Amino acid sequence: EAGVAQSPRYKIIEKRQSVAFWCNPISGHATLYWYQQILGQGPKLLIQFQNNGVVDDSQLPKDRFSAERLKGVDSTLKIQPAKLEDSAVYLCASSSPDGAKNIQYFGAGTRLSVL
Amino acid sequence: GESVGLHLPTLSVQEGDNSIINCAYSNSASDYFIWYKQESGKGPQFIIDIRSNMDKRQGQRVTVLLNKTVKHLSLQIAATQPGDSAVYFCAENMDTGRRALTFGSGTRLQVQP
Repeated sequence: EAGVAQSPRYKIIEKRQSVAFWCNPISGHATLYWYQQILGQGPKLLIQFQNNGVVDDSQLPKDRFSAERLKGVDSTLKIQPAKLEDSAVYLCASSSPDGAKNIQYFGAGTRLSVL
Repeated sequence: GESVGLHLPTLSVQEGDNSIINCAYSNSASDYFIWYKQESGKGPQFIIDIRSNMDKRQGQRVTVLLNKTVKHLSLQIAATQPGDSAVYFCAENMDTGRRALTFGSGTRLQVQP
């Protein structure tokens, strides 16, 4: 079974530029998450999708971040304009609830450096 | 590759010893807990999970203990190997996993040969 695919693996941009990340979840997984992981910390949720609908975007800085999952499969996360503090690893995860548990499987992430 | 966590607490053990990694979770309403392993340059990898109606669960070389009274989780790794070197995170969840995970601060495990 293929895992969660993310691209690009690395991105370097200057502040105020825009950037987009792409995620392809595990086939059949209805739930997709974007997390931000700042160096030295655990991942923190940005947004959760169930199929193509948003379940939780309460921690998404909506003035600069946006995400979509139009067909309920792939997802893109965009930052416009980027700030220095956006430098982090952006992780995509997917899950498919199985009874009493819901294991989230993570991709390798996109490492963003904002200069 | 760049380290996952440069300033995380570190546990250093000898190869072959048992390791115990501890975690305090924050929400008494959490009902599902997962341990993840994260190697440098990679995403978190599932190790083992436990529901709140259990206090112990065993996997292959790993055991998770849950103490709901003091909101504490531990991960025990038997016969630690160099390949176990990584950052370990506990994560908590509510609604039996249908919510997003809340990650704890990680612990770096270093296995000395």
